[in-house]
This record gives sequence, structure tokens and C-alpha cells, in this order.
Amino acid sequence: EAGVVQSPRYKIIEKKQPVAFWCNPISGHNTLYWYRQNLGQGPELLIRYENEEAVDDSQLPKDRFSAERLKGVDSTLKIQPAELGDSAVYLCASSKGPGNQNEQFFGPGTRLTVL
Amino acid sequence: DAKTTQPPSMDCAEGRAANLPCNHSTISGNEYVYWYRQIHSQGPQYIIHGLKNNETNEMASLIITEDRKSSTLILPHATLRDTAVYYCIVSPGGGADGLTFGKGTHLIIQP
Repeated sequence: EAGVVQSPRYKIIEKKQPVAFWCNPISGHNTLYWYRQNLGQGPELLIRYENEEAVDDSQLPKDRFSAERLKGVDSTLKIQPAELGDSAVYLCASSKGPGNQNEQFFGPGTRLTVL
Repeated sequence: DAKTTQPPSMDCAEGRAANLPCNHSTISGNEYVYWYRQIHSQGPQYIIHGLKNNETNEMASLIITEDRKSSTLILPHATLRDTAVYYCIVSPGGGADGLTFGKGTHLIIQP
């Protein structure tokens, strides 16, 4: 079974530039999550999707961050414009969804460096 | 989600059992205890979870106290590849909520 796929693995941009991250969840997983992990900290939830619907985006900084999950499969997370403080690892995870045991499968993450 | 408390770091000799404690004194009745680990430069990996009974799988054992206010993750025969940050998380079971990670315990397996 293929795991969660993320791309790119690394991205370096200058501040004020836009950036996008892509995630392909495990086949059949209805729930998709984006987390951000700052250096030395645990991951923090940004947004959760049930199929194509964003059901929890309370921690997503909506002034510069946006996300979408068209057709309820792949997802993209965008930052525009990026700021120095956005440097972090962005993790995508998926799970089977409500009614299951909430075992989440994580991708390798995208390490973003904003200069 | 209830808050958990873990020691920031622990050492264990290779081949010995690694016992990682977690305090979750404010856990609610419908919340499970989950353990994940994160090896350097990788995403977190699910290890095990439980409600109130002890659980065991191919990776580890989870011991939950009778009052559910604390738990211990046991890696029975630690190897160098078990060096990682281990996160103890409490979350409602049966749902799909986002997980609230703390800083975890950095477990270092010594050769």
C-alpha cells in the first residue's frame, strides 16, 4: 500500500513570494489533514478535510494561507505571500475518517525555508 | 483535547526495554491514549492506542493505569532505529479529529 505522498520535499523561496504544497493521501482515506511543524515543536493542525469539505480550519491563518481538496482526493496548501515566520515543515496526513480509530498516516513533509 | 506531560528526553541501552511515561490526568471518559513517534526528517508514525485496557502490537505495549491518568509505552527490545521523538496524545476515539501534539520525549538508544 502506497503511503501519503507529498511534493516537493524541500522548497526555498524569498519572502513575499507565493508557494504551494501538494499532497496525495492513501487511497480510500476520506479524511485529510495539513499540519505545520516548527523546529523543536510537535506538529500543529492547520486544516482538516472530510472528503472535499473543510470541517476544521480554525487554525489556518486565512489572510495568507489557503487550501483546497478538489474531488476529495489530492490537496494543495498555498501561502501567498510567504513571510519569514512561515519557515517550517508542512505535513500532510490522512485517515479512514469518522467511525474508525483515528489512526493517521503522515507523509514525509515539505520543508519550507523563507529567506 | 486533554493535555499530556512527558519527560523531554530519555536514554536507553540497546537491547533493553524502553519505558516511556506519560501523564494525562485530565483525560475524559471518551478519550483514547495514542502514541506516535517521529524519526528525524520523517513524518510521525502511529505506534499504538488504547482506551483503558493494556494493548500490545508488533511494535510496542501500552500500559494504562486503572484511573487512566497516566500510561507507559514499552518498547520491549530497543534498537538504534528506535531513536526518535515519541508523542503521547489523547483524543476522542471513533472520530477523526486533528491530533494535538506536545513536544514529546526524545528517546535516544545508546549502543
